[in-house]
Amino acid sequence: EVQLVESGGGLVQPGGSLRLSCAASGFTFSFSSMNWVRQAPGKGLEWVSYISHSTNTVYYADSVKGRFTISRDNAKNSLYLQLNSLRDEDTAVYYCAKDKGERAIDYWGQGTLVTVSS
Amino acid sequence: EIVLTQSPGTLSLSPGERATLSCRASQSVSSSYLAWYQQKPGQAPRLLIYGASSRATGIPDRFSGSGSGTDFTLTISRLEPEDFAVYYCQQYGTSPPFAFGPGTKVDIK
Repeated sequence: EVQLVESGGGLVQPGGSLRLSCAASGFTFSFSSMNWVRQAPGKGLEWVSYISHSTNTVYYADSVKGRFTISRDNAKNSLYLQLNSLRDEDTAVYYCAKDKGERAIDYWGQGTLVTVSS
Repeated sequence: EIVLTQSPGTLSLSPGERATLSCRASQSVSSSYLAWYQQKPGQAPRLLIYGASSRATGIPDRFSGSGSGTDFTLTISRLEPEDFAVYYCQQYGTSPPFAFGPGTKVDIK
């Protein structure tokens, strides 16, 4: 059974930093590209970032480019998102999400809430 | 950058009725890279359709996807009580950003 478990969310002040983690199990993590997707309270889904299985390719949404960094450790079956220079509008539930053959996202974690507020 | 729009914003229907949801792209999207998701309150999204028309594992056959180019459709042939939710389309796997549409809420009439 595929499991994605996020952690690291919490309350942070504007301008602060957080590091989100996602522990993956139930599939061959090193063969799968991964994503982070977020959802602000009461809003729709926003794709945030993508990393290929080998880390050769990373992509970011314009809204986070230069502030967020995606990374992975295939030996630890873990995905990360470093969030810097946080803004109020970064408040959201952040989902770790598994790629399905570069065609869709087929599994999602339950999400971790990041709240940016003074 | 490809922008997706979805219509209608809200669809009010009764159980047993047919639901037709539209997703339109600002430029052509390869059918291989158009996906649909369902999200219920308090839950993570669930993949329904990938490659514009292929059902994901475990998805009932009352869900179907179609379309090409800039116009895509998700059809629910007969709404079951558990189908009332928000539905999102996404273009994924080709040119980033892998944007989602704004969603269509299917609620009970």
